[in-house]
Amino acid sequence: DAGVTQSPTHLIKTRGQQVTLRCSPKSGHDTVSWYQQALGQGPQFIFQYYEEEERQRGNFPDRFSGHQFPNYSSELNVNALLLGDSALYLCASSSFFSNQPQHFGDGTRLSIL
Amino acid sequence: AQRVTQPEKLLSVFKGAPVELKCNYSYSGSPELFWYVQYSRQRLQLLLRHISRESIKGFTADLNKGETSFHLKKPFAQEEDSAMYYCALIGKSGGSNYKLTFGKGTLLTVNP
Repeated sequence: DAGVTQSPTHLIKTRGQQVTLRCSPKSGHDTVSWYQQALGQGPQFIFQYYEEEERQRGNFPDRFSGHQFPNYSSELNVNALLLGDSALYLCASSSFFSNQPQHFGDGTRLSIL
Repeated sequence: AQRVTQPEKLLSVFKGAPVELKCNYSYSGSPELFWYVQYSRQRLQLLLRHISRESIKGFTADLNKGETSFHLKKPFAQEEDSAMYYCALIGKSGGSNYKLTFGKGTLLTVNP
């Protein structure tokens, strides 16, 4: 079991562009959560998807959007990129009705020039 | 609102010395507390959670509701314990499907 996988590993974009990050959950998990980790900070919750719907959302603008597919994989989209969006984006998966903790992927390092 | 505070950004100890990483939280209800660890070039992984009441790699943490703290302790630090440690909270117990609120992390260095 590969666990949670994220792609790409690194990405460089310029201001104003848009980006799509991808996440495949751990086998058996149906819920995907996205976190943003800025340099020197702890991860911050962006949103969570279950049954292809956004279930919870953190304090992030509408430029951040997502999607979950029938196979439980998920995408995070960010539009109109700002310099401040440079961060490590982490995906975590879990089972919605389980009490087991969330499992994290390696993250996607996004750099905005 | 829920908040997690880790007052020490950096902590350096010698091998064999006791170590305590501090974590304080703010939440009006009954939280579930976690410690996550990130070793060099590895992904974030769960170290322990308060409801399990178990010791992992010699680490323990006790939830003190009166002091709203969840400090991580180990009596004898090892060099392989050097890592970034994050305290985290879920604001509703019994659900891994809720959002995690993280502290800013403490970088522990264990010197030989």
